[in-house]
Amino acid sequence: EDQVTQSPEALRLQEGESSSLNCSYTVSGLRGLFWYRQDPGKGPEFLFTLYSAGEEKEKERLKATLTKKESFLHITAPKPEDSATYLCAVQALDSNYQLIWGAGTKLIIKP
Amino acid sequence: NAGVTQTPKFRVLKTGQSMTLLCAQDMNHEYMYWYRQDPGMGLRLIHYSVGEGTTAKGEVPDGYNVSRLKKQNFLLGLESAAPSQTSVYFCASSYSYSGYTFGSGTRLTVV
Repeated sequence: EDQVTQSPEALRLQEGESSSLNCSYTVSGLRGLFWYRQDPGKGPEFLFTLYSAGEEKEKERLKATLTKKESFLHITAPKPEDSATYLCAVQALDSNYQLIWGAGTKLIIKP
Repeated sequence: NAGVTQTPKFRVLKTGQSMTLLCAQDMNHEYMYWYRQDPGMGLRLIHYSVGEGTTAKGEVPDGYNVSRLKKQNFLLGLESAAPSQTSVYFCASSYSYSGYTFGSGTRLTVV
């Protein structure tokens, strides 16, 4: 069964304290892995798509990496405005374009 | 550029009442989706559409109906609302293999 698991469920960091969020996945064949950011009361906002193991994408303080079994979202020197829930999703080759979602990691950056 | 617009933003229904949620996108996307998001359960796909005039069931379709009469609009209907349908509903649209663009959500409470 295709599955996505994110860890930890919640993460509290001090401003400037770098860390990583994990997204482990099980899928018969991966078409793409997606990272989203969701602020309270808003819809998820697209961040990155990764397609193959070894691929990396960067945006400001965020860097996403992909292996054959998991993806990491690295946050370097975070600021309070990086506080949000980060969602991971995978699209399988035989999925008819549907995404399988993880439950998310709630990130809190304290000033 | 509005992206994906959902109406209404909030609604309270009594058990047994019906309502329609409207989703409109101005990006000429072929694919549209309706999700519900509940605490601790992540995003769950209700119904989706791969083009004008087509719809298909997702993971949790019971109690909901959809229509896609125009490419830019995707309607979600609740014929007889139940308290279990209290949730936040998100509409999204995409090209076939791209990331999704989400609306800002509809918060529905059924009492």
